[in-house]
Amino acid sequence: SQQGEEDPQALSIQEGENATMNCSYKTSINNLQWYRQNSGRGLVHLILIRSNEREKHSGRLRVTLDTSKKSSSLLITASRAADTASYFCALRGSGGSNYKLTFGKGTLLTVNP
Amino acid sequence: DTAVSQTPKYLVTQMGNDKSIKCEQNLGHDTMYWYKQDSKKFLKIMFSYNNKELIINETVPNRFSPKSPDKAHLNLHINSLELGDSAVYFCASSPTGGFTEAFFGQGTRLTVV
Repeated sequence: SQQGEEDPQALSIQEGENATMNCSYKTSINNLQWYRQNSGRGLVHLILIRSNEREKHSGRLRVTLDTSKKSSSLLITASRAADTASYFCALRGSGGSNYKLTFGKGTLLTVNP
Repeated sequence: DTAVSQTPKYLVTQMGNDKSIKCEQNLGHDTMYWYKQDSKKFLKIMFSYNNKELIINETVPNRFSPKSPDKAHLNLHINSLELGDSAVYFCASSPTGGFTEAFFGQGTRLTVV
């Protein structure tokens, strides 16, 4: 299936520390995206990385993509309590599959003040 | 200015009933989606529409019938509700094309009793 798998399922850190989440997948992709979901809310897009890109930055976020290993990582630097949320990777396929954005099961990040 | 809005936010109903969830987006997007998020936070795509046409149907039981009267609206009607239908249902939209992010509604928490 096209679904991504996030790892770890849950991560608890102290404020100021860095948080790293990983996503592995099995199919070819057009791009990979990361989303955040606060408790009881909808998902919010964070960053998109294309299949021909290796690294992308946005503020305190850094995303890497290794298509040979079919994996991506999301690094949040200098975490804050407000970063507490679930983080999902989402895969966008090519051709007709680009009408499909497939999510993993998410990583629950808890940042302790 | 809500971008993707769903109604109702909460829905409690008895088994066997028929219910609808409405979704509207004011972003001018051509593609709309329905997702189901279960109690373990797994977000599964159900349907994808592009310009009112069904593109993706992820083996969803035919008790679920999406309807898109125009490209700004994608409603979900569910017949003969079952206990297993209890979940949070999210509507989302995106521009057409592979390198696009999705915008999510706040979700509808459906509880079947």
